[in-house]
Amino acid sequence: NAGVMQNPRHLVRRRGQEARLRCSPMKGHSHVYWYRQLPEEGLKFMVYLQKENIIDESGMPKERFSAEFPKEGPSILRIQQVVRGDSAAYFCASSFRTGGIAEAFFGQGTRLTVV
Amino acid sequence: QQQVKQSPQSLIVQKGGISIINCAYENTAFDYFPWYQQFPGKGPALLIAIRPDVSEKKEGRFTISFNKSAKQFSLHIMDSQPGDSATYFCAAASVRNFGNEKLTFGTGTRLTIIP
Repeated sequence: NAGVMQNPRHLVRRRGQEARLRCSPMKGHSHVYWYRQLPEEGLKFMVYLQKENIIDESGMPKERFSAEFPKEGPSILRIQQVVRGDSAAYFCASSFRTGGIAEAFFGQGTRLTVV
Repeated sequence: QQQVKQSPQSLIVQKGGISIINCAYENTAFDYFPWYQQFPGKGPALLIAIRPDVSEKKEGRFTISFNKSAKQFSLHIMDSQPGDSATYFCAAASVRNFGNEKLTFGTGTRLTIIP
């Protein structure tokens, strides 16, 4: 029973490139949450998705960031034209129901470094 | 503003001692207060959580104390062990508010247990 799987674990991108972060939720989970953790800081909410729907994207930067959770396949967090300030650890969590944040499990994260 | 303030930023406790971490929140709509434990290079893992209808919850060596009127809650780790050395995050959410169930995290406490 695999947990929440994120890949890659580490990602290095040059300024201006695109970063794609993948999150495969736990089996049976159809709700995904993305969080960003800057160095020495707590996690900040970015976006909450259900299959094929964005429920809450109030934490997403207005430009360059997008997220999707298609009917088949993992959830993708996409960052276009990365800048140094995007360097952070990106975590996703998954749950099986609405209101399930209390039972959500986090993945091990993707550590993005922009050089 | 939905904020959770956490203190101290770092804490050193002798093995066998009691570790105490405090958090304060502002949003009275919060109705779920979890604590997460994070080891270096790993994602946060749920440790223990409390709802505002109780003032204390205990699981093994871990206890949450909750003061609704003061809008404060704390984590107590009894008989602290070197394996407890990690970063601890408090968080809060409004889980009854379906679709708006994002976790708001504190900034973290780096706990070190010394022999």
